[in-house]
Amino acid sequence: DTGVSQNPRHKITKRGQNVTFRCDPISEHNRLYWYRQTLGQGPEFLTYFQNEAQLEKSRLLSDRFSAERPKGSFSTLEIQRTEQGDSAMYLCASSLSRGFYEQYFGPGTRLTVT
Amino acid sequence: QQQVKQSPQSLIVQKGGISIINCAYENTAFDYFPWYQQFPGKGPALLIAIRPDVSEKKEGRFTISFNKSAKQFSLHIMDSQPGDSATYFCAANLRTTSGTYKYIFGTGTRLKVLA
Repeated sequence: DTGVSQNPRHKITKRGQNVTFRCDPISEHNRLYWYRQTLGQGPEFLTYFQNEAQLEKSRLLSDRFSAERPKGSFSTLEIQRTEQGDSAMYLCASSLSRGFYEQYFGPGTRLTVT
Repeated sequence: QQQVKQSPQSLIVQKGGISIINCAYENTAFDYFPWYQQFPGKGPALLIAIRPDVSEKKEGRFTISFNKSAKQFSLHIMDSQPGDSATYFCAANLRTTSGTYKYIFGTGTRLKVLA
């Protein structure tokens, strides 16, 4: 399967712990996006990478959140000092930098903070 | 102004019927409008998409109708099947001055097709 992959698929953590998620985009895609989806809602934009450069961070991304994309390949999203309000599905998507902007999503990482 | 309003919230259709989901927007800077299908526990899957210079696009049983002047677009699912039962999201692409591309999603429509 050459689609977007995300790991882990599920993560249960206690409040105050740090968690890190990984996203592997489609190999030739140089744009990468992180979204957050809560139950019954549409995905909300968190951040965007063009190659290794992080070009925008949403106001939803507090100082406890950090994302990286070293060498423009895979990306990681870290949440420090998790809170119960961080419980959500974290989705990664990737796209080409040409064409019609189609974003292809991974299966997501479901985070539960207890 | 960056919102995309989606309706209805839920929809029940008989097998073989037509499912229609509507979305509306205000920001004329949106330049691409995809629809996604999402099953429980899965990521959204791209279904069909349209650019604002086209009024209609059809792919199999799925059709997007786009009304640029009214700032509205809709998804029509013809001959709806039980396997189409899922949550559908409309979205709009926004390209910012900083070079960012991001989707603004609607709130979703939960479709149930009765056998």
